[in-house]
Amino acid sequence: QSVLTQPPSVSAAPGQKVTISCSGRRSSIGNNYVSWYQQLPGTAPKLLICEDNKRPSGIPDRFSGSKSGTSATLGITGLQTGDAANYYCGTWDSNLSAWVFGGGTKLTVL
Amino acid sequence: QVQLVQSGAEVKKPGASVKVSCKVSGHTLSDLSMHWVRQTPGKGLEWMGGFDPEHAETIYGENWQGRVTVTEDTSTATAYMELTSLTSEDTAMYYCASRRFGNYYFDYWGQGTLVTVSS
Repeated sequence: QSVLTQPPSVSAAPGQKVTISCSGRRSSIGNNYVSWYQQLPGTAPKLLICEDNKRPSGIPDRFSGSKSGTSATLGITGLQTGDAANYYCGTWDSNLSAWVFGGGTKLTVL
Repeated sequence: QVQLVQSGAEVKKPGASVKVSCKVSGHTLSDLSMHWVRQTPGKGLEWMGGFDPEHAETIYGENWQGRVTVTEDTSTATAYMELTSLTSEDTAMYYCASRRFGNYYFDYWGQGTLVTVSS
């Protein structure tokens, strides 16, 4: 069981918008930056969002991140078939003294 | 651009150990905090351990204490993860990931090394 809670799956049609939630505790999301990772089928995870809402160079502005209290959200607009992947949230947990991840959310673009 | 290139797939017998390497290029290894993350088939990501620059020590996840060792060889710019007392439950993909000092995210990942434990 993961320390951070994500929905197992979400789906939407091409061109639509989708959000993926990530719920934690004060010691994790509440007090530390959240990052998001995209894992395309058969590949390694790739950094998508860092420090709650910053996009690394090369990440389209269709991807956005936000945080409120002990929850974080990844938003994807203008969905493309190539966005179909597993998405993971991650952060540091100050109580566990460990890096923690969500269980992952599988995005299906219908 | 940082690149992390991991060693190839391994097949091990139960009770054996495995040592996976991660060659770093494009950045000085000593300026990076290297970590290891496990992904079991069809499951999510689990952090195993890595270097904590804030306290200048290597730290490990609770589930891994005593069974995993993370090391570095700065002369070859290579990070290593050794896992001992393997069981079938250790069959998984193992990733190295880098974190730059002062950043609280993993910005680069290796391609992964599949470790299969089977008798």
